[in-house]
This record gives sequence, C-alpha cells and structure tokens, in this order.
Amino acid sequence: NAGVTQTPKFQVLKTGQSMTLQCAQDMNHEYMSWYRQDPGMGLRLIHYSVGAGITDQGEVPNGYNVSRSTTEDFPLRLLSAAPSQTSVYFCASSYSQGVQETQYFGPGTRLLVL
Amino acid sequence: SQKIEQNSEALNIQEGKTATLTCNYTNYSPAYLQWYRQDPGRGPVFLLLIRENEKEKRKERLKVTFDTTLKQSLFHITASQPADSATYLCALDIRNNNDMRFGAGTRLTVKP
Repeated sequence: NAGVTQTPKFQVLKTGQSMTLQCAQDMNHEYMSWYRQDPGMGLRLIHYSVGAGITDQGEVPNGYNVSRSTTEDFPLRLLSAAPSQTSVYFCASSYSQGVQETQYFGPGTRLLVL
Repeated sequence: SQKIEQNSEALNIQEGKTATLTCNYTNYSPAYLQWYRQDPGRGPVFLLLIRENEKEKRKERLKVTFDTTLKQSLFHITASQPADSATYLCALDIRNNNDMRFGAGTRLTVKP
C-alpha cells in the first residue's frame, strides 16, 4: 500500500491564483481530512469527509473548498489564493468516523503564496 | 474559550532519562486523546490513543496517562534515546466524530 499520497510536494502561487491540492489513499478508509500547519500553531482542521459525497467544515474552512466523489480521493481547492494561505498542508485518513481510529497522514504539500 | 496547551515549546533531556510531556485542555470533554510524533518535513505519525475511561496506556517505552478531572494527559518516554528527538503532538476529538484539535506540539531533544 502507498498509504496517503499528496501532490504536489511544493507549490508557489501568486495572490489570486487558484489551485487544487491532491490527496489519495489506497487503504479503503472512509474518513479523510485536510489540515494546515503553521509555525507555533499546530495542525488546524480545514475540512473533513466521513465518506464519498459527504463533507463538513473544520476549524478553519474559509477560502477552501472540498469534494469527495470517490472513497480514494479528497482534493482541496483554493479558489483565490491569499498570502495568509501560505502553509504546509497535510491530508489524513482513517478507517471510520467516531471509531477512535488512528489517522494516517500524508507527507504534506508546502504552499507559498506571494 | 476552548484551548489545548502543550506545556512547553521545547524540552531538552539527557539520554537515558525519562521525558515527560504535558497536554492540558479547557472546555472540551473528549472521548479520547491521541499522541503523535512529527519529524521535520514529515507528516505526523500516530503513537498512542487513550480513552476517557482509561487512566493509563503503555506501548514499549511509551506511557500515556489521561486525567479527565484535571483535563490533562501526560506522555512519558522512558530510557530516552537521541532517536526519540522529534516534535510530539497531542490531539482531541472534540465531537467524537473525528473533528480533531491539535496542540501546538513540544519539540523534544535527547542529548547523547
């Protein structure tokens, strides 16, 4: 199993540009989530999904969109990038919602917005 | 307000000693708490989960305690090694549906 994969590893955007961060998992996990990590602030949940077709907002959802059309993929879209979105983004997955399962994290995408 | 606080940004200890990291939270009632390890440039890696009805859990040289009255978890690494040097994160599921909140982490350095 490849686990949780994320692409790209690193991206530079100009303010106002849009992009999609890709996340895929091959463990047949129902639950997937996106976090951002900023220095001194820990991981903050952006959006999460408890299964295909179902998404919900986390702690910091503004400026980001998600969709979950398949179990395997959970892309994160930035429609109009802002410098405040400069961060490291992590995707995670776990087997099921509310079953107190461990989360498996991807390697991260480093995003710089100029 | 709701907060998760890890006791210090950085902790330096000598090899062989026990490292103790603290995670305090306010205004949450989590059903469980998790601890993760994160190395520079990598994603977090799950270490241990402890439920609200468990006082202590162990895994090899790791021990976690969970005091729901004090709203505190302690994470211990016994016989620490330089390879244990990393940032350690605690996390709570605030609605028991994988809506996770993380502490900012404690960077542990174990010196030979």
